Amino acid sequence: DTEVTQTPKHLVMGMTNKKSLKCEQHMGHRAMYWYKQKAKKPPELMFVYSYEKLSINESVPSRFSPECPNSSLLNLHLHALQPEDSALYLCASSQVRYTRVHTGELFFGEGSRLTVL
Amino acid sequence: AQKITQTQPGMFVQEKEAVTLDCTYDTSDPSYGLFWYKQPSSGEMIFLIYQGSYDQQNATEGRYSLNFQKARKSANLVISASQLGDSAMYFCAMRALIQGAQKLVFGQGTRLTINP
Repeated sequence: DTEVTQTPKHLVMGMTNKKSLKCEQHMGHRAMYWYKQKAKKPPELMFVYSYEKLSINESVPSRFSPECPNSSLLNLHLHALQPEDSALYLCASSQVRYTRVHTGELFFGEGSRLTVL
Repeated sequence: AQKITQTQPGMFVQEKEAVTLDCTYDTSDPSYGLFWYKQPSSGEMIFLIYQGSYDQQNATEGRYSLNFQKARKSANLVISASQLGDSAMYFCAMRALIQGAQKLVFGQGTRLTINP
């Protein structure tokens, strides 16, 4: 079982809806990530939080709003999405620092599959 | 900028055979890390193996090994004694550091199908 839990697993929303994706980890990791993955494509980074502060925003449209309320939780708030935003949204966590022993690999959740009608 | 190239969109292998998935990379950083992930149809990305640029030996994890050729900038994944459960999408990735935070840059992936 994955140690990164994402809810919901599936979400269908209209273009005027407001919804949120949630992610939780209890591995003590202080870096958390949102990736977006379209069908048959590699994951694309959206946001990185390090020590609960936003470190990287890959020029993501403002209709996606991330939030990191504490070191274990990461949310992605969705508003006024477009059909092309339909995708698998993957959350991940990792240690912030890495060494030869702790390689800093990302641990991913199973994803939230979003459909925008 | 970092770049990962996986040139095999799909691979078909008989069960119990060994398979090599190709990955080449490009970076100007002297220190870097390379990862392989497996993504089954369920969607979860599963970490398989890691190779650091200064590691003298090729990484191994059970049936997975990484054929790291630094001069050629290649980091191929070798799966020995393939099993039906190995059928999945495989991604090669490189760590990039941006403003002190790490980001993984992924290749396009290779879909591996194991035939019985």
